[in-house]
Amino acid sequence: DTGVSQNPRHKITKRGQNVTFRCDPISEHNRLYWYRQTLGQGPEFLTYFQNEAQLEKSRLLSDRFSAERPKGSFSTLEIQRTEQGDSAMYLCASSGLAGGRYEQYFGPGTRLTVT
Amino acid sequence: QKEVEQDPGPLSVPEGAIVSLNCTYSNSAFQYFMWYRQYSRKGPELLMYTYSSGNKEDGRFTAQVDKSSKYISLFIRDSQPSDSATYLCATHPEKPGANSKLTFGKGITLSVRP
Repeated sequence: DTGVSQNPRHKITKRGQNVTFRCDPISEHNRLYWYRQTLGQGPEFLTYFQNEAQLEKSRLLSDRFSAERPKGSFSTLEIQRTEQGDSAMYLCASSGLAGGRYEQYFGPGTRLTVT
Repeated sequence: QKEVEQDPGPLSVPEGAIVSLNCTYSNSAFQYFMWYRQYSRKGPELLMYTYSSGNKEDGRFTAQVDKSSKYISLFIRDSQPSDSATYLCATHPEKPGANSKLTFGKGITLSVRP
């Protein structure tokens, strides 16, 4: 396993449509994070899974957003009724305990454009 | 005030220059500090990970943390055009076994001119 993968890499959708993104973490990592990054800003935390349990959600994650991690492996992030303000890069990161600490490794991201 | 502030950019230097990138943070609970490098339209790549105050060196890169002044720095020696990227500082609290969600600075875009 060479790293975190995300699909699709790019998504263009019309306002009001639903979209779903997938993240495949590094296989031995039990922690998985979703972040959102807009132009000129650093990534902002959205939600966190430890194994299959979603343990924290940011206030940024409105009720139109839902994330799952069935069986503690890959994760999906769904946005319902997309809005233009949802246009951003959606980043997934995974981490596992190594050397007494958790380092987060990011995937290449999914760039969402809502027209 | 944001929890992590990063010096605004962009920054342009000639090849071979020493580059200094800086961040400040406001929350004393932050105990772990990272620098990520992000090339255009790519995900962030972990460069350095530090815990205590002091310096950590890895090749041409040195990370410096001063917890007393809540100041973190990244130095790049003998900068190369391939170092041209956006550099993000990040931090998280010390909560063993708990969520280590990262708080990032805005990032600074560095351009190294050949």
